[in-house]
Amino acid sequence: DTEVTQTPKHLVMGMTNKKSLKCEQHMGHRAMYWYKQKAKKPPELMFVYSYEKLSINESVPSRFSPECPNSSLLNLHLHALQPEDSALYLCASSQFPTSGILYYSEQYFGPGTRLTVT
Amino acid sequence: EDQVTQSPEALRLQEGESSSLNCSYTVSGLRGLFWYRQDPGKGPEFLFTLYSAGEEKEKERLKATLTKKESFLHITAPKPEDSATYLCAVLGSEKLVFGKGTKLTVNP
Repeated sequence: DTEVTQTPKHLVMGMTNKKSLKCEQHMGHRAMYWYKQKAKKPPELMFVYSYEKLSINESVPSRFSPECPNSSLLNLHLHALQPEDSALYLCASSQFPTSGILYYSEQYFGPGTRLTVT
Repeated sequence: EDQVTQSPEALRLQEGESSSLNCSYTVSGLRGLFWYRQDPGKGPEFLFTLYSAGEEKEKERLKATLTKKESFLHITAPKPEDSATYLCAVLGSEKLVFGKGTKLTVNP
């Protein structure tokens, strides 16, 4: 099984709402990622979790709060978002070598959640 | 700062018309170069990883090659279902850096 699943597929939320995005993988991967992708742009890395611990935060505003409850699940909690946060939010996972060096092997992406902030 | 430039931005081919996509990079200490395919509204689909100059990988009608400065994705006798945006990403000393992609359209 090389599938990464994401829910919901679409989400519309107001600027005062609190919502969460969910990502799940069962490939035994120990690195999981959140990306943001605007239309006709490449994915932009937001967060990286390795062995369920946050290892990278690319200076993402605090209105985005990631959580990794276990090795298969990754959540992104959203609060007080702005219209410019509307985008496709992608989750990915990859194997994590034990070399001790932060290293991105092949990443498997989910289908994304299309977020619209009104 | 690591940089990735893909060309052309868009490419239109007739079915069966072979061509190549280019990914030029400047990176300190290349650890890997990755090719992905992305369909509209979907997440990228992993295609290939290349680690060192001279390396080649093939999958169906696609062949990826790597030199010290660039990578090519060769598409042989493409079909309409090959239409997608092809993303190149490089891993240097820090994070994965994506190019802006090449949007490929294959007309029947």
